[in-house]
Amino acid sequence: AQSVTQPDIHITVSEGASLELRCNYSYGATPYLFWYVQSPGQGLQLLLKYFSGDTLVQGIKGFEAEFKRSQSSFNLRKPSVHWSDAAEYFCAVGAGSARQLTFGSGTQLTVLP
Amino acid sequence: DAGVIQSPRHEVTEMGQEVTLRCKPISGHNSLFWYRQTMMRGLELLIYFNNNVPIDDSGMPEDRFSAKMPNASFSTLKIQPSEPRDSAVYFCASRRSGGTGGTEAFFGQGTRLTVV
Repeated sequence: AQSVTQPDIHITVSEGASLELRCNYSYGATPYLFWYVQSPGQGLQLLLKYFSGDTLVQGIKGFEAEFKRSQSSFNLRKPSVHWSDAAEYFCAVGAGSARQLTFGSGTQLTVLP
Repeated sequence: DAGVIQSPRHEVTEMGQEVTLRCKPISGHNSLFWYRQTMMRGLELLIYFNNNVPIDDSGMPEDRFSAKMPNASFSTLKIQPSEPRDSAVYFCASRRSGGTGGTEAFFGQGTRLTVV
């Protein structure tokens, strides 16, 4: 069975600083990988996805992620964080007949002014 | 497109009562998922449907939980009887499966259930 690990429960960065959120996955085949963001009281919004091809994927809001098969990782990055990026971020792997998602435990991002 | 629509957004009920959560997937999507989010367990897949047929309900916690999808545009998740430990946010999601890979899953705004 697949699993996803997000080792950082909470990260605090200053506005304008760079950001990297870590994600490691366990899956026996080529994974479908996703990053979702959740603002308080809201649903999950897709930031970006990796299905195949270029291992560096670009997403919305200036985010990018890099798939590294050798490290079983799919880390999320942003060069300059904005206060509006404060939210909870979930990494997920999609597998199975409907590509159903298995989520990591999430990383809460706080942005300091 | 209005996205995945869930109702109600908030539900407060007394222990022992029946609760029904509703979901309207995005038109044209043929896979539908119900997830539960709690502080303790995070986001868990409860059940999913392909083409209105339940495929895997191994995530449904107990027999008190049941889900139906009578047609392509509507699904329900029912809890009977409800218990305080069922308090959580329940999300519905849908995606288009098949073809050239389909789409990613789109999530509704969730239903926050409180059982007192």
